[in-house]
Amino acid sequence: GAVVSQHPSWVICKSGTSVKIECRSLDFQATTMFWYRQFPKQSLMLMATSNEGSKATYEQGVEKDKFLINHASLTLSTLTVTSAHPEDSSFYICSASLAASTQETQYFGPGTRLLVL
Amino acid sequence: KNQVEQSPQSLIILEGKNCTLQCNYTVSPFSNLRWYKQDTGRGPVSLTIMTFSENTKSNGRYTATLDADTKQSSLHITASQLSDSASYICVVTSGGWGKLQFGAGTQVVVTP
Repeated sequence: GAVVSQHPSWVICKSGTSVKIECRSLDFQATTMFWYRQFPKQSLMLMATSNEGSKATYEQGVEKDKFLINHASLTLSTLTVTSAHPEDSSFYICSASLAASTQETQYFGPGTRLLVL
Repeated sequence: KNQVEQSPQSLIILEGKNCTLQCNYTVSPFSNLRWYKQDTGRGPVSLTIMTFSENTKSNGRYTATLDADTKQSSLHITASQLSDSASYICVVTSGGWGKLQFGAGTQVVVTP
């Protein structure tokens, strides 16, 4: 149980375009979902916390207008990288939590590799 | 400064051998400590979780220890297999809001 999926698993896009990444909890309802990015050989960095039906809470230094997060249902959250640039190339990982507004008991998705040319 | 420090940064071991990874943390207040295995290009998968009162936790060939007094943890891999090649991440949860603090990970490569 507690499976989280991401789509796509990898994406290549041109600079200036927008890219949408989906995160789904397949067998449970996730009150809270989290979005991370990970650069090579570095730890996961929390970008934002997303609660169903409300605005996402962004970590310091993360541009909310650039990384749009929508959490329309208890099983789906999306991250849209708007006007992507090469420096946005990274590994994006989502996680879903069974508890509200806490990172406890969270399950990670397989990640999405983004390459911006 | 990262509140969770892992060592070594990388490690190469022969198949069948044992190895131990270290994690030192300064996170306070402490709630729990988890070890995750992250295969290349995949999301992290939980191996063990320990609370303040637990000193050791095993999951197959993986054994984690915790010394909450010295704020140190280790992950021991016994009889390593090729499939153990991955990054192992130490994650400490702080009390209160349960915020996670991630270590940078130890990259383990198991060679035949």
